[in-house]
Amino acid sequence: KQEVTQIPAALSVPEGENLVLNCSFTDSAIYNLQWFRQDPGKGLTSLLLIQSSQREQTSGRLNASLDKSSGRSTLYIAASQPGDSATYLCAVKRGGFKTIFGAGTRLFVKA
Amino acid sequence: GAGVSQTPSNKVTEKGKYVELRCDPISGHTALYWYRQSLGQGPEFLIYFQGTGAADDSGLPNDRFFAVRPEGSVSTLKIQRTERGDSAVYLCASSLMAGGGDTQYFGPGTRLTVL
Repeated sequence: KQEVTQIPAALSVPEGENLVLNCSFTDSAIYNLQWFRQDPGKGLTSLLLIQSSQREQTSGRLNASLDKSSGRSTLYIAASQPGDSATYLCAVKRGGFKTIFGAGTRLFVKA
Repeated sequence: GAGVSQTPSNKVTEKGKYVELRCDPISGHTALYWYRQSLGQGPEFLIYFQGTGAADDSGLPNDRFFAVRPEGSVSTLKIQRTERGDSAVYLCASSLMAGGGDTQYFGPGTRLTVL
């Protein structure tokens, strides 16, 4: 059974700091991995999608890496801003259609 | 263009009642997902539609839950004999391609409260 764990559960950093969020999964036979952002009381916004054949994806200040063999992904946020404050979720999909989410990392960036 | 929309945004019902939650996916999206999210947790997969058919309903918790997508667009999640434990935010997502390999776009969710 696929399990997804995100560490840390919560993180508070000063504005301008670079930071790394971690995601680990127990079954390396994944189809893809996706990072989402969720603002309080809102739905999820897709940030980056990494297919199983890829090692990383970049979008602006965000960079996500994938190491299937070790069952890990990291989301790197450069030069954090108060507007980055949200919950960040990673989700993995196996060959079927079921997507398994982690519980998320709550990020607070202090101005 | 318009994103995924869900109605109602909030639903309060009494234990034992029947509820329907609606999802309008992005136009042209073949794949549609339903999830349930409890406070402090990530979304929990319920069901996946590829066109009109439910390709994977392994996440539905029991036979009180049922979902349809009769014309391959709008979907309705139906919950019979609601229980207090059904209280959660129900999220819908759609993606362009069948097969589930591309980005999922989420709606804002329906917050269901069972009293």
